Amino acid sequence: IILTQSPATLSVSLGESATLSCRASQSLDSGFAWYQQKPGQAPRLLIYGTSTRATGIPARFSGSGSGTEFTLSISSLQSEDSAIYFCQQYNNWPPPLTFGGGTKVQIK
Amino acid sequence: QVQLEESGPGLVKPSQTLSLTCTVSRGSIDNGASYWGWIRQHPDKGLEWIGHVYHTGLTYYNPSLESRVSLSVDKSKNQFSLRLSSVTAADTAVYYCVRDPALVGARGSAFDIWGQGTKVTVSS
Repeated sequence: IILTQSPATLSVSLGESATLSCRASQSLDSGFAWYQQKPGQAPRLLIYGTSTRATGIPARFSGSGSGTEFTLSISSLQSEDSAIYFCQQYNNWPPPLTFGGGTKVQIK
Repeated sequence: QVQLEESGPGLVKPSQTLSLTCTVSRGSIDNGASYWGWIRQHPDKGLEWIGHVYHTGLTYYNPSLESRVSLSVDKSKNQFSLRLSSVTAADTAVYYCVRDPALVGARGSAFDIWGQGTKVTVSS
């Protein structure tokens, strides 16, 4: 399953909202996750099961979607949200598990 | 909170075997509720799942790497390991060991704990 993320780069002002998209090459159930990666760090799990926030993730991060279209929304963007965001599907099993190419969110 | 730490050589010669170990601390590799895995990140930032291993030794591999990869568990040391044979420059990447909490039962899911990553360069 190929995951295509858009846009590649997103420039957003502080306090505004950001919407990141991930399109799958075939329909998925809820086995879908989002990660945040800051420079020099490992990715961090934000969302799993399409819409469940991982432990300690602020409520301004939310996930939604179904079928082939999935979305990560960040409301009231803060400076620490500047990062690369990756989507991942785990609907396909046996393997492989696959990731999208990433969306870079930068502060305008 | 479980912590993971990768160890191994940062430079491997072409055609040789890359070997990395992940040490699990503040938790047991034998908890029966998690898979343990490896993910690599290429220089262009793309993420690639390599494989999973269960504490029983059960393994799952990315079909694109299956002919060259082997994962194993050493419960006595609370470690799991990666071996990747016949490496080329395309295997140059940052390698992460990860925990998969098996969110949907006995199958791969998301990755909630990551090591800090170790950079491996394939070059003569």
